[in-house]
Amino acid sequence: AQKVTQAQTEISVVEKEDVTLDCVYETRDTTYYLFWYKQPPSGELVFLIRRNSFDEQNEISGRYSWNFQKSTSSFNFTITASQVVDSAVYFCALISSSASKIIFGSGTRLSIRP
Amino acid sequence: DAGVTQSPTHLIKTRGQQVTLRCSPISGHKSVSWYQQVLGQGPQFIFQYYEKEERGRGNFPDRFSARQFPNYSSELNVNALLLGDSALYLCASSSGRIQETQYFGPGTRLLVL
Repeated sequence: AQKVTQAQTEISVVEKEDVTLDCVYETRDTTYYLFWYKQPPSGELVFLIRRNSFDEQNEISGRYSWNFQKSTSSFNFTITASQVVDSAVYFCALISSSASKIIFGSGTRLSIRP
Repeated sequence: DAGVTQSPTHLIKTRGQQVTLRCSPISGHKSVSWYQQVLGQGPQFIFQYYEKEERGRGNFPDRFSARQFPNYSSELNVNALLLGDSALYLCASSSGRIQETQYFGPGTRLLVL
C-alpha cells in the first residue's frame, strides 16, 4: 500500500523567513517516484519536482530545495527567503513503479505574511 | 506551447443529472488522467487513459466513466450526480506511463445542488 503524510496542515511565516514543508511516505516497492506540486488560489496544480527512489541527491532550484532521505522515508521541501507569492497549498505525491495510481498527501497551506 | 486545457471552468448541476467534462492534453502527450479534489483535501485519482485505453482506475463508483479520443483529448462523465460529487475536477497529461510527470490543467469546478 502507498501512503503520503503531510502532518503540517497550515504554516504561517513572515516574509523572508525560511520554511520547511514535511512529507513522509510509505511504500513497499523499491522503485518509486516522489513529486511536489504547488496549488495557488487559482486551483491549477503546478509541478515543482519529480524524484526517483534511486536518486537521493538533494536538489536546489533558486530559493527552493528538496531533502530526500530514504532512511526516514521523507522528502521535505524548503523555501528560503520566502515571498508573499509563495503562499499556496503544497502537495507531496507518491507513485510506485508497480502502482497504477498516484497518491497525494492532504497538503500544507502556506501563508507568507508581508 | 499551450498547456492542458479543460472545459468548462465552472458548472452547476442538480442531483440526479449527468455531466461531461472535457480535457485537451499538452501537444505530444498521449496520456490523460482525471482527479477529483474535494475542498480541503488532496486530489484523488479517478482514471488514467493512455493511447485510448484505460490504464488505471481509482476507487470511484461506476457512475464515473471516461474515454480518450484519437487526438488524445478526453472526457469524464459522471451520471446520477450526488451532492458529494461537488469538487474541483482536474485533468493532467503526461507523455506516457502514469509514473511520468503529470502536468495539470486549471480544473473544472462542479457544484451539485
